[in-house]
Amino acid sequence: DQQVKQNSPSLSVQEGRISILNCDYTNSMFDYFLWYKKYPAEGPTFLISISSIKDKNEDGRFTVFLNKSAKHLSLHIVPSQPGDSAVYFCAARHNNAGNMLTFGGGTRLMVKP
Amino acid sequence: DSGVTQTPKHLITATGQRVTLRCSPRSGDLSVYWYQQSLDQGLQFLIQYYNGEERAKGNILERFSAQQFPDLHSELNLSSLELGDSALYFCASSVGGGRNGELFFGEGSRLTVL
Repeated sequence: DQQVKQNSPSLSVQEGRISILNCDYTNSMFDYFLWYKKYPAEGPTFLISISSIKDKNEDGRFTVFLNKSAKHLSLHIVPSQPGDSAVYFCAARHNNAGNMLTFGGGTRLMVKP
Repeated sequence: DSGVTQTPKHLITATGQRVTLRCSPRSGDLSVYWYQQSLDQGLQFLIQYYNGEERAKGNILERFSAQQFPDLHSELNLSSLELGDSALYFCASSVGGGRNGELFFGEGSRLTVL
């Protein structure tokens, strides 16, 4: 039972354009949603998060949108840069499970110069 | 550098063997988490410890066990290894419950079972 799903395994975008990465979830008990970025041979690094009581959080070029009724969130990167090329994982925290995160399968983003 | 240290970085062993993966959390972090990533898949939660006590358990096999020591470092023991146990094993840490759910990950230990 995959509670967090990233349906696009890969995404290719031109430098300077917008990258939109999507994530769907099924468990309404998640209270925080996070995006992690992972380069090869490195561990995932935290990018941005959003509380379930908000619908948008922005940090520089990165914005996360949450649509609770649709159980959907998305990460927007504007403008995309070649250094953004990495695997992006969506993760969700259950409000009654300590700080355990449930991860999606990841989306590989390639930003072409 | 996340501040989380994992050793060894790479490990090759044979089926039926037992290995131990080690993790040192960030200074001051009380919680340690273990995740498994197989074949470019998502990270699967295995187990969490908080200040030496088991806090949460995920899909961890009975052949796997973990512990957190008084100095807060943690070890993940994998025994009777099978080919399917080949994966990246990540350790992460956080201060207690973590700020906004944020975990800090180590670089991982890549286990290859032949």
